[in-house]
Amino acid sequence: EPEVTQTPSHQVTQMGQEVILRCVPISNHLYFYWYRQILGQKVEFLVSFYNNEISEKSEIFDDQFSVERPDGSNFTLKIRSTKLEDSAMYFCASSGRRGGNSPLHFGNGTRLTVT
Amino acid sequence: GENVEQHPSTLSVQEGDSAVIKCTYSDSASNYFPWYKQELGKGPQLIIDIRSNVGEKKDQRIAVTLNKTAKHFSLHITETQPEDSAVYFCAASGEGFQKLVFGTGTRLLVSP
Repeated sequence: EPEVTQTPSHQVTQMGQEVILRCVPISNHLYFYWYRQILGQKVEFLVSFYNNEISEKSEIFDDQFSVERPDGSNFTLKIRSTKLEDSAMYFCASSGRRGGNSPLHFGNGTRLTVT
Repeated sequence: GENVEQHPSTLSVQEGDSAVIKCTYSDSASNYFPWYKQELGKGPQLIIDIRSNVGEKKDQRIAVTLNKTAKHFSLHITETQPEDSAVYFCAASGEGFQKLVFGTGTRLLVSP
């Protein structure tokens, strides 16, 4: 069964550094998402992306965050200057189409640790 | 915006028992309600979902019920097995499924 893959599985970075989290969505999917989960808390929506632009973003997704689909397969989340509170599990997800019968499929996540 | 409450936060059952997890939502415009299972070190995996035009949906040992009037929905797992042990999240979304709002999760432990 096709799956969403994320790399790296664990990223350690120092405060103030830039990080890029990478995702390969399911190949025929059109909608891409990033969610995050701070340890022990609920999964939170960050951003959705369709047709090469952001379609919705949350309050968490401030100017330090950006997303990009640099080619036909990858979808990336960049944090420009990491803060301690950015430490979390970041999940990429994709879906086939808007509405209807196309649920979100999540990857296994990247654990980001900011020191 | 939408707010999803989930309870209980932990649930311990004996193998073979049933487990019920309940969620409430605040936005009457929400129309899609998936349930995800998250095992240690993995991402959320969809186990069942329901749309607002349906009151109940079953898939083998798993069922979900939706009460739109009361704005709550529940996950029912029958004949639980140790491999059902995981954290379960409910979620709600409006039109287009662009943004899922998750509940706080229920840690289910099934003891042999």
